[in-house]
Amino acid sequence: EAGVTQSPTHLIKTRGQQATLRCSPISGHTSVYWYQQALGLGLQFLLWYDEGEERNRGNFPPRFSGRQFPNYSSELNVNALELEDSALYLCASSLDRGRVAETQYFGPGTRLLVL
Amino acid sequence: AQKITQTQPGMFVQEKEAVTLDCTYDTSDPSYGLFWYKQPSSGEMIFLIYQGSYDQQNATEGRYSLNFQKARKSANLVISASQLGDSAMYFCAMREGKSNFGNEKLTFGTGTRLTIIP
Repeated sequence: EAGVTQSPTHLIKTRGQQATLRCSPISGHTSVYWYQQALGLGLQFLLWYDEGEERNRGNFPPRFSGRQFPNYSSELNVNALELEDSALYLCASSLDRGRVAETQYFGPGTRLLVL
Repeated sequence: AQKITQTQPGMFVQEKEAVTLDCTYDTSDPSYGLFWYKQPSSGEMIFLIYQGSYDQQNATEGRYSLNFQKARKSANLVISASQLGDSAMYFCAMREGKSNFGNEKLTFGTGTRLTIIP
């Protein structure tokens, strides 16, 4: 069974540009989560999509947005890039949003560098 | 207040020895789940083990076990017979079960960098 996939693996942008990151969940998983891992910091929750809807977002400005497609894949968009947006962006998926025990499985991440 | 605290930023352990990675948590929710993930230098987060707040027994998965002490709010990861491939960052995470929406996220600790010495 294929795991969570993310593309691209690396992305280099300049300040003010827009970045688009993509994620495909494990087959059968309907929930997709995005996390940001900036250098020296832990993982911070960004966004959660389930059944095509944004269900929750972390403490990030509105220029971080995304969507979930009918096939449950997801896209994270970061507008007006700032230097501090440089980070590893991790996508995770899970099968059942209702259970505390439901494990989130992570993809390999996209490393975004803003120059 | 920090919800997940990992007090060991780095650890060096001799190969084949057992290692314990500390994790304490803070929640008022009676229903929660605790997770441990491994992050090698490649960046991917690899799920290791899960412990539910209502589980009576400590979780085990191969060489990994979780020393769950509910009253002390600690969930330490124990790796038996460490191997060179265990060198990585290890994160403790919690998911609280307050409601159907709004608590789906995992809250992570700052991690422990484990280095196994040959």
